[in-house]
Amino acid sequence: SQELEQSPQSLIVQEGKNLTINCTSSKTLYGLYWYKQKYGEGLIFLMMLQKGGEEKSHEKITAKLDEKKQQSSLHITASQPSHAGIYLCGADLATSGSRLTFGEGTQLTVNP
Amino acid sequence: NAGVTQTPKFQVLKTGQSMTLQCAQDMNHEYMSWYRQDPGMGLRLIHYSVGAGITDQGEVPNGYNVSRSTTEDFPLRLLSAAPSQTSVYFCASSYSRGTQYFGPGTRLLVL
Repeated sequence: SQELEQSPQSLIVQEGKNLTINCTSSKTLYGLYWYKQKYGEGLIFLMMLQKGGEEKSHEKITAKLDEKKQQSSLHITASQPSHAGIYLCGADLATSGSRLTFGEGTQLTVNP
Repeated sequence: NAGVTQTPKFQVLKTGQSMTLQCAQDMNHEYMSWYRQDPGMGLRLIHYSVGAGITDQGEVPNGYNVSRSTTEDFPLRLLSAAPSQTSVYFCASSYSRGTQYFGPGTRLLVL
């Protein structure tokens, strides 16, 4: 969707390295959701951010929503092969009610 | 709770055939949605429902019908399948304007 841009499209890192995935919206974000998808499987919910400046962490994954609520980043520290998959950001845009608009996803490969 | 379930997991159709993709949730969620996922296109919303008896179109509704007769079920119907409908279909549900929980998906191939 042009309303939500994810970068990079793909990322290959060596195990143990840190990485960041970005999600940028052309509209104000009412809520921003991060999901992970393994090939051939459904989406697993990771984190939700709603407030400008909010930051949440789970194990080695940290997500932030900037103060203006138009960009979010997902940071993985000391990546492991288990982190590999497709990461998708989904946005609850103020004009779209309960529907989520998704970015195209970031394919992450972690080489041992 | 089983969460969001989808059947079938995989389906092959011939052009012009019809079928129904089933979706059910046992979390008493009001909101349910259908998405399709295609390479390079991300997830796109097909139809959604904010409660039993209420449905609305999403971003790519053409060729699909939905109905919501109960809170639990939200089937997606393809009346006359086309090769362009080859995709992976995901159903999701949420309680009001909150986190959406996704089913495992249905892979559809239309020949």
